[in-house]
Amino acid sequence: QKEVEQDPGPLSVPEGAIVSLNCTYSNSAFQYFMWYRQYSRKGPELLMYTYSSGNKEDGRFTAQVDKSSKYISLFIRDSQPSDSATYLCAMSVDSSYKLIFGSGTRLLVRP
Amino acid sequence: ETGVTQTPRHLVMGMTNKKSLKCEQHLGHNAMYWYKQSAKKPLELMFVYNFKEQTENNSVPSRFSPECPNSSHLFLHLHTLQPEDSALYLCASSQEGRGVGYTFGSGTRLTVV
Repeated sequence: QKEVEQDPGPLSVPEGAIVSLNCTYSNSAFQYFMWYRQYSRKGPELLMYTYSSGNKEDGRFTAQVDKSSKYISLFIRDSQPSDSATYLCAMSVDSSYKLIFGSGTRLLVRP
Repeated sequence: ETGVTQTPRHLVMGMTNKKSLKCEQHLGHNAMYWYKQSAKKPLELMFVYNFKEQTENNSVPSRFSPECPNSSHLFLHLHTLQPEDSALYLCASSQEGRGVGYTFGSGTRLTVV
């Protein structure tokens, strides 16, 4: 079993839809949870970062962590074609560089 | 230039060639990393440098040889690669080896023929 599981997609939605992207994990010691967005032919860029449980909101994006279920989510409201990218989750036990990444979910938002 | 810059963007090399990938960061970070990204696989950490010193080698084959002459520059020297080494090679940097606050470069797309 992989430490972090992420559905590769692709996930195709119409513009304006609410998108839900998810990761499950097996290591209950993970405390730091991140979402990266990677456009085609670019490197990943940090989108959201959450410590421990709870929700965090930034504009149209909401990150949610449920440690009891070992499940994290990224919600995108009013999705735009410019949101089309691959979304990677990443997590770590401490704040060090030892991140464990998911394999990414490819999202396509249709105009 | 700002952020993390990687050159070349694309590289095609034969199995007997020797080539080098270059990474430069303009963020004042003191930790730099090489990652390998293969299709539908998670990012694989290859090497970690902290204040120019290598602090991690993640069981990477010796045909990959990193070099970090200073905190702003990182190289990956390649020789006698295999076709399965074809991937996107990403450089990243962060402050004091912290995982939050990684900045990635755009990567070098490597094809081994």
